[in-house]
Amino acid sequence: DPKIIQKPKYLVAVTGSEKILICEQYLGHNAMYWYRQSAKKPLEFMFSYSYQKLMDNQTASSRFQPQSSKKNHLDLQITALKPDDSATYFCASSQAGTGCSDYTFGSGTRLLVI
Amino acid sequence: AQSVTQPDARVTVSEGASLQLRCKYSYSGTPYLFWYVQYPRQGLQLLLKYYSGDPVVQGVNGFEAEFIKSNSSFHLRKASVHWSDSAVYFCAVYNAGAKLTFGGGTRLTVRP
Repeated sequence: DPKIIQKPKYLVAVTGSEKILICEQYLGHNAMYWYRQSAKKPLEFMFSYSYQKLMDNQTASSRFQPQSSKKNHLDLQITALKPDDSATYFCASSQAGTGCSDYTFGSGTRLLVI
Repeated sequence: AQSVTQPDARVTVSEGASLQLRCKYSYSGTPYLFWYVQYPRQGLQLLLKYYSGDPVVQGVNGFEAEFIKSNSSFHLRKASVHWSDSAVYFCAVYNAGAKLTFGGGTRLTVRP
């Protein structure tokens, strides 16, 4: 069974619209992250949350907003979508304070903005 | 700033041949290093990781990597590749703040 569930797997959106990418982890971790992988750039860190609080934000745009409604959820809301936002978005989790031994990635949501 | 460089964007080898995928990192302090593999349309799977101790670490599916501090390298090796090893391989370094910095990836193609 997948330990990190990302929904949907594939998403097509129209320029200017808004979408929410879902991430749930069932590893009992207290830290969650978002990464982005696009054709133009390698895998890059976007956000980290620990105990449902934002720890680090490396995205330049406020159009990307993480949302943590439960401790095992970290969704990603993207507003005013642009074609350049087309990428695969990966969620990850780990147990904060234990280093990186259990860093686990989901299978990603592939977003295409047309 | 921390960075990871994978100088070879693409590598092609024949099945049964040995493999080395190169990784160089820049990090102030003791690095925690990782190799991940990504198969087509799938997520990232951890191959191996290095924290400390023996500089040669063993991973899954016969992969190993050697940490060479003097060279700031963490190359991935496999003695004999299989066609199913065709994938994209990423080297990464763990940073303060619990984030991973990835290299650009190396696409490995194994010829039957």
